[in-house]
Amino acid sequence: DVVLTQTPPTLSATIGQSVSISCRSSQSLLHSNGNTYLNWLLQRPGQPPQLLIYLVSRLESGVPNRFSGSGSGTDFTLKISGVEAEDLGVYYCVQSTHAPFTFGSGTKLEIK
Amino acid sequence: EVQLVESGGGLVQPGRSLKLSCVASGFTFSNYGMNWIRQAPGKGLEWVAYISSGSSYIYYAETVKGRFTISRDNAKNTLYLQMTSLRSEDTALYYCARHRFDYWGQGVMVTVSS
Repeated sequence: DVVLTQTPPTLSATIGQSVSISCRSSQSLLHSNGNTYLNWLLQRPGQPPQLLIYLVSRLESGVPNRFSGSGSGTDFTLKISGVEAEDLGVYYCVQSTHAPFTFGSGTKLEIK
Repeated sequence: EVQLVESGGGLVQPGRSLKLSCVASGFTFSNYGMNWIRQAPGKGLEWVAYISSGSSYIYYAETVKGRFTISRDNAKNTLYLQMTSLRSEDTALYYCARHRFDYWGQGVMVTVSS
């Protein structure tokens, strides 16, 4: 199974600060069809997860453009350019290139 | 508006069975693959199962393979998860989500305890 390793496990940021979260895969997430099925989700307290980024770098409709995704192969990054208070919660990467699909262990973002 | 509404959860004894449902609306259900994901109390997300739009492709997590069965009824816009031989470690909030993880239900709680 593909293991997604997210770092750091927790992140503390001030409003306006830029932060990055890493997601490393135990194997390449490049599908034979040329797509890389790596998404980023945010789970706010008490809520179901919300899709932020899909296919590594595509911003989901309605998501603020302070969120961006990058990477390829086995190394991926979510960047928040200018954290806002509403960004607190747990961020997860998830891959659906290889079955069984897998989630990263999550990164908790706290606002200082 | 896309909506996914789970039901069927509850308290069940170890070794017993339970069937979850997820009713979809606001999109053409038969065009989309669907996932079940679970979250144990205070823990992270765990992917459980996937079914393609026409049920041709079905995948399971190793932790549930052989015990859980995912299915769908496109005429009823409903996704199912039949859970058998339940264990305490299956206790979790169960979510259904569209294949791209773009839409999620609110989740349904399953508690396995004697």
